[in-house]
Amino acid sequence: GAGVSQSPSNKVTEKGKDVELRCDPISGHTALYWYRQSLGQGLEFLIYFQGNSAPDKSGLPSDRFSAERTGGSVSTLTIQRTQQEDSAVYLCASSLAYSSYNEQFFGPGTRLTVL
Amino acid sequence: QQQVKQSPQSLIVQKGGISIINCAYENTAFDYFPWYQQFPGKGPALLIAIRPDVSEKKEGRFTISFNKSAKQFSLHIMDSQPGDSATYFCAARSTFGDGTTLTVKP
Repeated sequence: GAGVSQSPSNKVTEKGKDVELRCDPISGHTALYWYRQSLGQGLEFLIYFQGNSAPDKSGLPSDRFSAERTGGSVSTLTIQRTQQEDSAVYLCASSLAYSSYNEQFFGPGTRLTVL
Repeated sequence: QQQVKQSPQSLIVQKGGISIINCAYENTAFDYFPWYQQFPGKGPALLIAIRPDVSEKKEGRFTISFNKSAKQFSLHIMDSQPGDSATYFCAARSTFGDGTTLTVKP
């Protein structure tokens, strides 16, 4: 079946612009996660959804970052007034449910470059 | 505060050798320790995982060793192959280490 998909695959924007990153999880997966991976760095956890709810938003780097999920499916990560330090690969993952033991399936990521 | 510390940052191994990557965690509440493998341009994919009620788990050439008292776990790749060249991440729940870039030389 189809895996996790993300769009766009690459996004180049100018400093100060807003960007929206989209994630389509695996059908039937109720949990969805967003991570940020800077060049040569590990995965920084940003936020997770169980259904449409995001119980913990403390991983978001600043109030310029927001995320929503609708219909228990598609999620959008929005970055307002982008800064150069926002340049990174943004990864989305989904799992059957939010549980320690459920495998997370990752999408290919969106590479964001802020000029 | 980094809750999962991974080492080394990079590793070069000859084909057929053993690759060893180590991780240490701080939160004793963590109860699931997966390893993910990531190839360039791809998202990470689950390689192998262990729960703290066992000390070792083996799947093919990949073995996780777990030391609960030391709060450490490691990935061993036996008979390393060039196709194993990738970045490996340990994790505890949704907290990931910084990754280890493995290069296996033919």
